[in-house]
Amino acid sequence: SYVLTQPPSVSVAPGKTARITCGGNNIGSKSVHWYQQKPGQAPVLVIYYDSDRPSGIPERFSGSNSGNTATLTISRVEAGDEADYYCQVWDSSSDHLWVFGGGTKLTVL
Amino acid sequence: EVQLVESGGGLVQPGGSLRLSCAASGFTFSSYAMSWVRQAPGKGLEWVSAISGSGGSTYYADSVKGRFTISRDNSKNTLYLQMNSLRAEDTAVYYCAKDLDYGDTAMGLLDYWGQGTLVTVSS
Repeated sequence: SYVLTQPPSVSVAPGKTARITCGGNNIGSKSVHWYQQKPGQAPVLVIYYDSDRPSGIPERFSGSNSGNTATLTISRVEAGDEADYYCQVWDSSSDHLWVFGGGTKLTVL
Repeated sequence: EVQLVESGGGLVQPGGSLRLSCAASGFTFSSYAMSWVRQAPGKGLEWVSAISGSGGSTYYADSVKGRFTISRDNSKNTLYLQMNSLRAEDTAVYYCAKDLDYGDTAMGLLDYWGQGTLVTVSS
């Protein structure tokens, strides 16, 4: 079963840069997607295919993926970015074909 | 505007059954694969099942295989999840979600999500 490992929490001051990592065995060979979920709301896709942004997502959100780590970067963090963030990949050998990371709680100080 | 509205959740006893529905609008339903994703209280996201646009291909997480059945009625723009032999660990909010990519193949890249329906399995 393929496992995606995210830090439980990341804290950042407003205006600074937040980096949320997603670790997995040779994850650089897979396409990684990122979702944002605010309390009581459904998830929202913020990055797909490692670094593409859906329409309506600010350019402050970017992604990268190499080796064993994918990273979601949020520049010039705002209070409204406070949320849980989940990475996701497809893995044909897993017991869950589409695997989510455990999620990272982003706190804006 | 894309809308996904789930219904059918509720309280059910262990071993019982429930059928969830997801009414879709604002896009050509039959042209997109759909998924169910659940979230246990206070926990993370767990992919449950997916179905191709035509309904010809279905996919399940091992945790629900043999107990849950995904289906769709493209004439009614509705997605279903039949859940049998429910267990306490199936307690979660169940979301339906649409694939981003146009086409019959399920990619699991989900660009629109419903607001979810809560399933509680308890005696």
